[in-house]
Amino acid sequence: EVQLSDSGGGLVQPGESLRLSCAASGFTFTDYAMSWVRQAPGKGLEWVSGVSVSGGTTYYADSVKGRFTISRDNSKNTLYLQMNTLRAEDTAIYYCVKGDERLSTTPAFDCWGQGTLVTVSS
Amino acid sequence: AIRMTQSPSSLSASTGDRVTITCRASQHISNYLAWYQQKPGKVPKLLIHTASVLQSGVPSRFSGSGSGTDFTLTISSLQSEDFATYYCQHYSTYPITFGPGTKVDVK
Repeated sequence: EVQLSDSGGGLVQPGESLRLSCAASGFTFTDYAMSWVRQAPGKGLEWVSGVSVSGGTTYYADSVKGRFTISRDNSKNTLYLQMNTLRAEDTAIYYCVKGDERLSTTPAFDCWGQGTLVTVSS
Repeated sequence: AIRMTQSPSSLSASTGDRVTITCRASQHISNYLAWYQQKPGKVPKLLIHTASVLQSGVPSRFSGSGSGTDFTLTISSLQSEDFATYYCQHYSTYPITFGPGTKVDVK
């Protein structure tokens, strides 16, 4: 069974940092692009960042570019999101998501983690 | 970035109704369009990818169509478990973007 277990969320103050992790199992992690998608309370879905199968190419939404860094450790089947200089508007549930097509660079997302809540507040 | 719009933003319907939701992309995206369903407090679920391909396990009352910039999601006969919010998403290039969502509730 494909599983994504995201973790690392919490309450931080504006300007602080946080690192999210996503442990993957049940599929060949090295075959699929991965992304992070977030959802602010009561709002819609926002794609945040994506990474290629090798980890060599990364993509970011303009809203987080320069502050967030996505990475993956294919030896540990784990995806990460390093979030720096956090702002109140970054408050959201963050979902780790798996690409639906093997080796696809820009996939739809067929499996979602349970989400981890990040709250940025003083 | 490609902007995705959806209409309506919400609709009220009854069990058994035929429901259609439209999604428009600000640029040509071929058929790189997905639809998701999200129920309150739950994780989004992929319903359709490549504009019209039903994801495994999704009931056949759901269907998708369109190409280029205009797309539709149709539920042929609404069931009680279909009351939810539906999002379209393009994945033709980065940045990937979602539509604002369409909430389907009980009439």
